[in-house]
Amino acid sequence: GAVVSQHPSRVICKSGTSVKIECRSLDFQATTMFWYRQFPKQSLMLMATSNEGSKATYEQGVEKDKFLINHASLTLSTLTVTSAHPEDSSFYICSARDRPEGYNSPLHFGNGTRLTVT
Amino acid sequence: AQSVTQLGSHVSVSEGALVLLRCNYSSSVPPYLFWYVQYPNQGLQLLLKYTTGATLVKGINGFEAEFKKSETSFHLTKPSAHMSDAAEYFCAVSGDGSTLGRLYFGRGTQLTVWP
Repeated sequence: GAVVSQHPSRVICKSGTSVKIECRSLDFQATTMFWYRQFPKQSLMLMATSNEGSKATYEQGVEKDKFLINHASLTLSTLTVTSAHPEDSSFYICSARDRPEGYNSPLHFGNGTRLTVT
Repeated sequence: AQSVTQLGSHVSVSEGALVLLRCNYSSSVPPYLFWYVQYPNQGLQLLLKYTTGATLVKGINGFEAEFKKSETSFHLTKPSAHMSDAAEYFCAVSGDGSTLGRLYFGRGTQLTVWP
């Protein structure tokens, strides 16, 4: 149980275009989802916390207008990279907890999306 | 604020040798601690976690970790490495207060297993 599905797994886009990444909780409801970004050979950096039915909470230094997050249902959160540039190329990973109130419970991760901006 | 330090970005061991991956944390409150493993171009898979209770935690694939409060450490070990253990390993600590529910990760340790 507790499967998080992320789509697409890989995407290549041209500079200036926008890309949408979907994150779905398949067998549980997630009122909160987390979006991470991972640079090559580096750790995961928390970008934002996606909240169902309300605005996302962004970490310091993350551009809200650049990385649009929508959490319209209890099983779906989307991250849209707007006006993408080569420096946005990275590995994006979403995660969710199957028990929102269980802060001691682990996060379940999607398989990530490799974004390449040319 | 919570932070995680993983000593050694790369660890190499021979197959059958002991695996030791180090993790130290800083937290203002008793933390929840996690170890995750990542294979290339994939998400993260939970190995084990410490919340409360027994300080020696056993996880999947023969891994275990010991929470030592006095040393603020949560090192990951495995008695005998297998080729399939080669991967990136991340230690993570839970947030508290305003960051409750979030996980903060160390920089990761790449484990290489030689035949």
